[in-house]
Amino acid sequence: QQQVRQSPQSLTVWEGGTTVLTCSYEDSTFNYFPWYQQFPGEGPALLISILSVSDKKEDGRFTTFFNKREKKLSLHIIDSQPGDSATYFCAASVIGNNKLTFGQGTVLSVIP
Amino acid sequence: EAAVTQSPRSKVAVTGGKVTLSCHQTNNHDYMYWYRQDTGHGLRLIHYSYVADSTEKGDIPDGYKASRPSQENFSLILELASLSQTAVYFCASRGATNTEVFFGKGTRLTVV
Repeated sequence: QQQVRQSPQSLTVWEGGTTVLTCSYEDSTFNYFPWYQQFPGEGPALLISILSVSDKKEDGRFTTFFNKREKKLSLHIIDSQPGDSATYFCAASVIGNNKLTFGQGTVLSVIP
Repeated sequence: EAAVTQSPRSKVAVTGGKVTLSCHQTNNHDYMYWYRQDTGHGLRLIHYSYVADSTEKGDIPDGYKASRPSQENFSLILELASLSQTAVYFCASRGATNTEVFFGKGTRLTVV
């Protein structure tokens, strides 16, 4: 049973364009939602995160949106750059619980 | 910067053999995790630990054991390696009062 579903599996965008990744989840007790970025040969690294009490969080070109009613979240990357090419994972957990549940990942390619 | 070091970085093992993957963190973190990454599945939690000399089962513990002899070290043990355990394994750590999880660079295990 996949508790966190992520789409699309892969995505190609032109340099300067906007990237949109989406996730949905099932467990309504989840209240912490991080996005991780992974480059080839590296481990995932935290990109941005949001708590369920918020509906939007920005960090430079990266913004994550959260919709509690629909149990969905998204990651928007504006002015996408070739250096953004990586695999992106959404994840979810209950704060205080030890377990992060990850989505399947999205492979993003940004073409110059 | 938080540091999680995994060894070896890659390994080829024979079916039925014993494999030990090691992880060392210098973050003074209480929590340590072992995840497995497979294409299309994201990262799945195998075992975790919140204190030395104690380990907990994650979502996919079958076929794996874990050992936490000290706060800094966490090992993943495959007593009888199988072809299905071919994957990339990530160790991670987290502070007790933080939400961010820090990952190592991964160990690519191939079972033949």
